[in-house]
Amino acid sequence: ETGVTQTPRHLVMGMTNKKSLKCEQHLGHNAMYWYKQSAKKPLELMFVYNFKEQTENNSVPSRFSPECPNSSHLFLHLHTLQPEDSALYLCASSQDLAGTGGLDGYTFGSGTRLTVV
Amino acid sequence: QKEVEQNSGPLSVPEGAIASLNCTYSDRGSQSFFWYRQYSGKSPELIMSIYSNGDKEDGRFTAQLNKASQYVSLLIRDSQPSDSATYLCAGRPEGSARQLTFGSGTQLTVLP
Repeated sequence: ETGVTQTPRHLVMGMTNKKSLKCEQHLGHNAMYWYKQSAKKPLELMFVYNFKEQTENNSVPSRFSPECPNSSHLFLHLHTLQPEDSALYLCASSQDLAGTGGLDGYTFGSGTRLTVV
Repeated sequence: QKEVEQNSGPLSVPEGAIASLNCTYSDRGSQSFFWYRQYSGKSPELIMSIYSNGDKEDGRFTAQLNKASQYVSLLIRDSQPSDSATYLCAGRPEGSARQLTFGSGTQLTVLP
């Protein structure tokens, strides 16, 4: 496996269900991210982890709960979601070059297409 | 609110022409900028990054940065139908080591 892998690719869940999205990066990066992509809207940053520590939470509702057990794995636990949460959820990773203004971009996973019914 | 603005398009150009994609940003302290290409149903793929004022060329792609005017552009020379995708502009806000702010993307169609 190379790059950033996300599972599942597609997920349909009811509003009372609990599910988890998984992300794994094989790039040796030390920062990982969850983004939400809805139609016709910019990518919305949800969570940032650096060296397994959550460094940013962009006012995300508590029905989304991230977990980062190590620098290679990132989970997004979902419970009691709403239909408006239906979107493409993207995981990304990067090498943290804090303070250098370095040109590291993100490497994205393929995403999970989530539909809440 | 630190924003990155893009014309959503769609932008259509004939095959072989130059496609010009533009992006403006509000955070004057932003230092690094990125262009991502996203095919329908796929994840964004980094194609260009730029840090300094001026032009940066990579094959058929040229990124241009003008910090005084707060705009970034991407030129695609000799456009091909395979270039048809949504192009996302992203900037790294001042004071943020990692977080990128994305525009909503410009949909490009290259007509054969």
